[in-house]
Amino acid sequence: RKEVEQDPGPFNVPEGATVAFNCTYSNSASQSFFWYRQDCRKEPKLLMSVYSSGNEDGRFTAQLNRASQYISLLIRDSKLSDSATYLCVVNRKGDTGRRALTFGSGTRLQVQP
Amino acid sequence: DGGITQSPKYLFRKEGQNVTLSCEQNLNHDAMYWYRQDPGQGLRLIYYSQIVNDFQKGDIAEGYSVSREKKESFPLTVTSAQKNPTAFYLCASSLSGRSYEQYFGPGTRLTVT
Repeated sequence: RKEVEQDPGPFNVPEGATVAFNCTYSNSASQSFFWYRQDCRKEPKLLMSVYSSGNEDGRFTAQLNRASQYISLLIRDSKLSDSATYLCVVNRKGDTGRRALTFGSGTRLQVQP
Repeated sequence: DGGITQSPKYLFRKEGQNVTLSCEQNLNHDAMYWYRQDPGQGLRLIYYSQIVNDFQKGDIAEGYSVSREKKESFPLTVTSAQKNPTAFYLCASSLSGRSYEQYFGPGTRLTVT
């Protein structure tokens, strides 16, 4: 089982739609969770951290369900500029305490006019 | 402007040649990381460094080497021992060992023929 699993998509949605992505993680000891956005052939950029209580940043809402070990990202009122690949990222405890991150393969979103 | 720079953006090499990828940051971050990304896959950790003059292997260190002589710089050498060097290489940094949030440079796309 992969450490972080995401539906690769693509999710094709019209402008203005609400879309949600889920991500599951296997390490129950994980403590830090993030969503990164990656545009085609560019570097990943931190979109938001995911807190236990859930958090919102404008049109984006992230939630964490520790019991079921999944993280979600909700995008409301989708814009064409939201088209990108969304990476689910989870910390892992390495043997040397390296505080490394594990990246999911990403979910591709295509917002259409 | 604070940030992470990687050069060059595109690099072409013949098989059997070593090549060094540059990564510089002026964010005063302690930790630096190298990842590779292959099409349709998540990022995989090659090497990381939490402090100057110290670095550790990641998940796929074979065929790579690094140095961390200065806080700002973390060059990666792709040696001829690396079996499949063609990939998108991403450098990242984070504020300290306490923080998991990582920020990425623009990446170097290496093609070896």
